[in-house]
Amino acid sequence: EMVMTQSPVTLSVSPGERATLYCRASQSVSSDLAWYQQKPGRAPRLLIYGASTRATGIPARFSGSGSGTEFTLTISSLQSEDFAVYFCQQYHNWPPITFGQGTRLEIK
Amino acid sequence: QVQLVESGGGVVQPGMSLRLSCAASGFTFSYYGMNWVRQAPGKGLEWVALISYDGNNKYYPDSVKGRFTVSRDNTKNTMDLQMVSLRAEDTAVYYCAKRGTRSDPYSDYWGQGTQVTVSP
Repeated sequence: EMVMTQSPVTLSVSPGERATLYCRASQSVSSDLAWYQQKPGRAPRLLIYGASTRATGIPARFSGSGSGTEFTLTISSLQSEDFAVYFCQQYHNWPPITFGQGTRLEIK
Repeated sequence: QVQLVESGGGVVQPGMSLRLSCAASGFTFSYYGMNWVRQAPGKGLEWVALISYDGNNKYYPDSVKGRFTVSRDNTKNTMDLQMVSLRAEDTAVYYCAKRGTRSDPYSDYWGQGTQVTVSP
């Protein structure tokens, strides 16, 4: 089973600053990686698929990069609504489809 | 717009069964595969089932294989998850989610979730 590891577990950043979140796969997933945002009590929302393609309606301040085993989600200038939990997901080698454990992005 | 509405959650005792439903609208349901994903309290996301667009292919992780069965009715735009022999560790919010493309199983739209609690 493909194991996805996210870091850090918690990231404290001030509004207006840049946030960088990481996701590592235990084996290569090529570019078959998605990122989701989840706010408390809400369903996840797709941000990025194919490692770097923004989903419909996602602001340009969200960007994804990487391939193989190392991936990054960058939020260029944090807005108040961006503070949430972020999950990565691999869909290269499935089943099972696997998620990382999440990174909590909090206000510094 | 795409809408996914789950129903059927509740409180059940260990060993009992429950059937969840997902009603879809706003897209061509019969064209897309669908996922079920769950989230235990305070935990991360766990994929629990995927059904192909035509219902002919179904996939599960080992944690639910043999206990959960996914099905769909393309005439009614609905998907179900039949859960039997429920365990305490199945307690979670269950989300139905639309597959992004026919070939890639990431989920581009999610329902609001339905709570399943397995407790004596």
